[in-house]
Amino acid sequence: GQQLNQSPQSMFIQEGEDVSMNCTSSSIFNTWLWYKQEPGEGPVLLIALYKAGELTSNGRLTAQFGITRKDSFLNISASIPSDVGIYFCAGHLTYGGSQGNLIFGKGTKLSVKP
Amino acid sequence: NAGVTQTPKFQVLKTGQSMTLQCAQDMNHEYMSWYRQDPGMGLRLIHYSVGAGITDQGEVPNGYNVSRSTTEDFPLRLLSAAPSQTSVYFCASSYSSQTEAFFGQGTRLTVV
Repeated sequence: GQQLNQSPQSMFIQEGEDVSMNCTSSSIFNTWLWYKQEPGEGPVLLIALYKAGELTSNGRLTAQFGITRKDSFLNISASIPSDVGIYFCAGHLTYGGSQGNLIFGKGTKLSVKP
Repeated sequence: NAGVTQTPKFQVLKTGQSMTLQCAQDMNHEYMSWYRQDPGMGLRLIHYSVGAGITDQGEVPNGYNVSRSTTEDFPLRLLSAAPSQTSVYFCASSYSSQTEAFFGQGTRLTVV
């Protein structure tokens, strides 16, 4: 099946540090979405990207839709303890039998030390 | 504004039992889907629906049935529960197949 390679798998950082994570694929995507999941909860949408090259911010979060349409990154600036959680990238493929289905990366687990 | 509502939140089943996980959305979204989440595996698509009366299989459909009789509801049925179906199940909805999905809070299912 289609795969999204998300890295890193986990990060342990100090409060105040910046964070960067990314997703890559060999397939072309129509959309890139970034979600955050906290324990016992469902994924919550952080940022949605719909155009190649698009750079979008949501507070301290910034995400970009790669120009090749095969990758995306998420940056978190000046991390705080409540940033702790698992961050997932997801995307909609442009073609094929799974068109329209949302494909997920395996997540980046973020831990922030106060 | 309820969004996507899943029930129950927790469930324990014995092997071979059947049950239905409920999902309802109040956003008038056409597209609904079911995922399962297992440690280290991310979210994997079980079944999806592009509108009332239309369903299709995702990546891991075996052992699960769905139906979509209304726009609002998309129940997931486990026909004969197996320990391999122990997982957290998420329902999601979106305006279309190519727009952002909104998730419910999940159902944590344990099959013993």
